Amino acid sequence: GAGVSQSPSNKVTEKGKDVELRCDPISGHTALYWYRQSLGQGLEFLIYFQGNSAPDKSGLPSDRFSAERTGGSVSTLTIQRTQQEDSAVYLCASSLADRGGTQYFGPGTRLLVL
Amino acid sequence: QKEVEQNSGPLSVPEGAIASLNCTYSDRGSQSFFWYRQYSGKSPELIMSIYSNGDKEDGRFTAQLNKASQYVSLLIRDSQPSDSATYLCAGYFGNEKLTFGTGTRLTIIP
Repeated sequence: GAGVSQSPSNKVTEKGKDVELRCDPISGHTALYWYRQSLGQGLEFLIYFQGNSAPDKSGLPSDRFSAERTGGSVSTLTIQRTQQEDSAVYLCASSLADRGGTQYFGPGTRLLVL
Repeated sequence: QKEVEQNSGPLSVPEGAIASLNCTYSDRGSQSFFWYRQYSGKSPELIMSIYSNGDKEDGRFTAQLNKASQYVSLLIRDSQPSDSATYLCAGYFGNEKLTFGTGTRLTIIP
């Protein structure tokens, strides 16, 4: 079956611009996660959605970052007024269930802020 | 305080030998652990999951979990050059977020 998809695969933007990153999870997966991975670094948790519950936003680095998940499926991560330090790979993962569920990752969006 | 610790490596292993990757964790309450493989420029892909003490084997891969000692390991038998990648250990620790180690870079030497 289809895996997690993300778009765009690459994004180059100018400092100060807003960007939107999209994630389409595996069909039927109720949990959706966003991570950030800077070059040569580990995965940094950003935000977690589970069903209709309020999202866990504890990993968002600043109020310039926000995310939503419409209809319990597709999610959009928005970064406002981008900064050069936002340059990273943004990874989305989904799982069938929370509390121990295996997470499957999308291919990521490589964001470069000039 | 980091919840998942891994040796960042690089770990170099001759082709055909056994590669041993180790991970320790700080929370005794954790129940489920995962090993992911990440090739350079790619996203993590699941190799193994393990929930119970002991060994779990899948082909050339064996995951080992010791909850009393709070470590989880991954053994790769008959290492191949295609096994060269960064291996990420991850676990759930009392909440719904998967915590990742920083990864161990493995190089298989032909």
